[in-house]
Amino acid sequence: DVKVTQSSRYLVKRTGEKVFLECVQDMDHENMFWYRQDPGLGLRLIYFSYDVKMKEKGDIPEGYSVSREKKERFSLILESASTNQTSMYLCASSPGTSGSSTQYFGPGTRLLVL
Amino acid sequence: GQNIDQPTEMTATEGAIVQINCTYQTSGFNGLFWYQQHAGEAPTFLSYNVLDGLEEKGRFSSFLSRSKGYSYLLLKELQMKDSASYLCAVPLYNQGGKLIFGQGTELSVKP
Repeated sequence: DVKVTQSSRYLVKRTGEKVFLECVQDMDHENMFWYRQDPGLGLRLIYFSYDVKMKEKGDIPEGYSVSREKKERFSLILESASTNQTSMYLCASSPGTSGSSTQYFGPGTRLLVL
Repeated sequence: GQNIDQPTEMTATEGAIVQINCTYQTSGFNGLFWYQQHAGEAPTFLSYNVLDGLEEKGRFSSFLSRSKGYSYLLLKELQMKDSASYLCAVPLYNQGGKLIFGQGTELSVKP
């Protein structure tokens, strides 16, 4: 079974704090993705990575950065958290770059920024 | 541009059949995914269609018509545990596995 884990299920941070969200997958997948999910807006792609040290911006990268130093780990960084970054953050991985490559999701991190 | 539409919410009765529709507009086509997401949990893969027609997998079936830009997810013999959000997603053509998601259909199954 594919397993994608995220470092925290719930997180509370203050405005201006630097926040790290970690994601680890155990299936040697090439691709990893970070999404945020908000009511009425659905899943929106923040960043994705096709390989170690490789990253590409998604649809809403502003205010975020990412790091992929090892194949299994993809980190999302909020340099200076703001209240509008309160959201559910979902990490996903997939084995290849073809369109038919299924994405497998982690359990999500619900972040509250006060 | 790319766009996916699905109804926001649906209600059905336990034991019944429900059909959740999805229409999409994409430049190029590389298949369509359905995911199930229970409240507070991660989306889980249900099905992938790339050819026209109906694919059955137990109580769940998924249909695709590429010419109409249309898919549906059919759930039979509904159970209370089927109450969840159902997400339709389409890969962006030639963009290496990136998906565009619909907003999801919230299905409530009532006794």
